[in-house]
Amino acid sequence: SQQGEEDPQALSIQEGENATMNCSYKTSINNLQWYRQNSGRGLVHLILIRSNEREKHSGRLRVTLDTSKKSSSLLITASRAADTASYFCATDASDSSASKIIFGSGTRLSIRP
Amino acid sequence: GAGVSQSPSNKVTEKGKDVELRCDPISGHTALYWYRQSLGQGLEFLIYFQGNSAPDKSGLPSDRFSAERTGGSVSTLTIQRTQQEDSAVYLCASSPTPGWGNSPLHFGNGTRLTVT
Repeated sequence: SQQGEEDPQALSIQEGENATMNCSYKTSINNLQWYRQNSGRGLVHLILIRSNEREKHSGRLRVTLDTSKKSSSLLITASRAADTASYFCATDASDSSASKIIFGSGTRLSIRP
Repeated sequence: GAGVSQSPSNKVTEKGKDVELRCDPISGHTALYWYRQSLGQGLEFLIYFQGNSAPDKSGLPSDRFSAERTGGSVSTLTIQRTQQEDSAVYLCASSPTPGWGNSPLHFGNGTRLTVT
């Protein structure tokens, strides 16, 4: 079963607007990561946030983490056409001695010119 | 430096045939993961290797699927007696540190498997 679920499944916005994607997960985690995927091929790591952090920034990306609600959000500010891609959250399980990393179902983001 | 390499990039096979998919991780990365992604879907965890520890095979969908990692480096995912529902992109990823997700995963470009 999926550890993380993204919301919305698909998002279409105008270039220049901000895009917000949400991720919910089920079990306790050590950290949460966000990835981007173009054209259904390999994923690229965007940002990692640890369970003791609440917010993290990287360029136009802002990630928040609320462990009490078991949720995270990814905000992309001032979107560009090149941001069109699928975005996935990924989590590990903090109670596992050999933790696998589980991905959510993803949000497909389309930026309209 | 070289990234994660997967081969072949595309594979078309007939139903019932066996296939082998190869993954060359980044040198020195101890963790290696296999995922499967059906069209328009998320990533489904298949198997996880960490150093010399026994692999976590909990995601393998059936006994037709198996994977090996030789010498802690190259990994091969084998699918026996392929079925049409096995058609998907198979993604490999490696990481320099053990589980816990402390380091990002580095992904290959995947093998697109089509079973006819």
